[in-house]
Amino acid sequence: QVQLQESGPGLVTPSETLSLTCTVSDDSIPYYYWSWIRQPPGKGLEWIAYIYYSGFTKYNPSLESRVTISIDTSKNQFSLTLSSVTAADTAVYYCARQPYCSGERCPLDPWGQGTLVTVSS
Amino acid sequence: DIVMTQSPDSLAVSLGERATINCKSSQSVFYSSTSKNYLAWYQQKTGQPPSLLIYWASTRESGVPDRFSGSGSGTDFTLTISSLQAEDVAVYYCQQYYSTPYTFGQGTKLEIK
Repeated sequence: QVQLQESGPGLVTPSETLSLTCTVSDDSIPYYYWSWIRQPPGKGLEWIAYIYYSGFTKYNPSLESRVTISIDTSKNQFSLTLSSVTAADTAVYYCARQPYCSGERCPLDPWGQGTLVTVSS
Repeated sequence: DIVMTQSPDSLAVSLGERATINCKSSQSVFYSSTSKNYLAWYQQKTGQPPSLLIYWASTRESGVPDRFSGSGSGTDFTLTISSLQAEDVAVYYCQQYYSTPYTFGQGTKLEIK
């Protein structure tokens, strides 16, 4: 069963750039869409972006000006960068695979365990 | 953006009883060319990531107990747990994947009465 693992700094300074990587445990990167989602402490879920192995991407317009998602099929990894962070970007960041697709439309499963990123000076 | 609204925000049900969670989308998530509703349900237990329960509004993910079922079409959907077990205590989210940005309901906290 595939596993996803997020990695990156747990603390980011305001106005700096948050960078996270998701490592996929098998070679399934070319066969699925891959997403990032975040969840502020005690709050709900916000989808950030997805990417296909070809490099095709879609972003949440609320974050699009600050977000970049990329993929490295040779390393079974995909990544997220979020620039100009503020305290409002403090959240648990999850990566997820997207199976059962109809075109680009797919649910999210499985999810990584998540990594808490705190934005603070 | 499609707004997803769940009701109730929290729910307390006795063990063995039925639990029902509703989800309403601000526009239809039914795609006529595929005859599918692009609606998923997730379960999030404390300290864990969400886990997919139901997709296409009513298709149970592999390994999900059959006491979980999804129904509805268009803009109105329901997640039903037919006989609540202690391990079902969690927050449940609906999500539309009909169009980006994908959006989630605010969550429904399910507890034991």
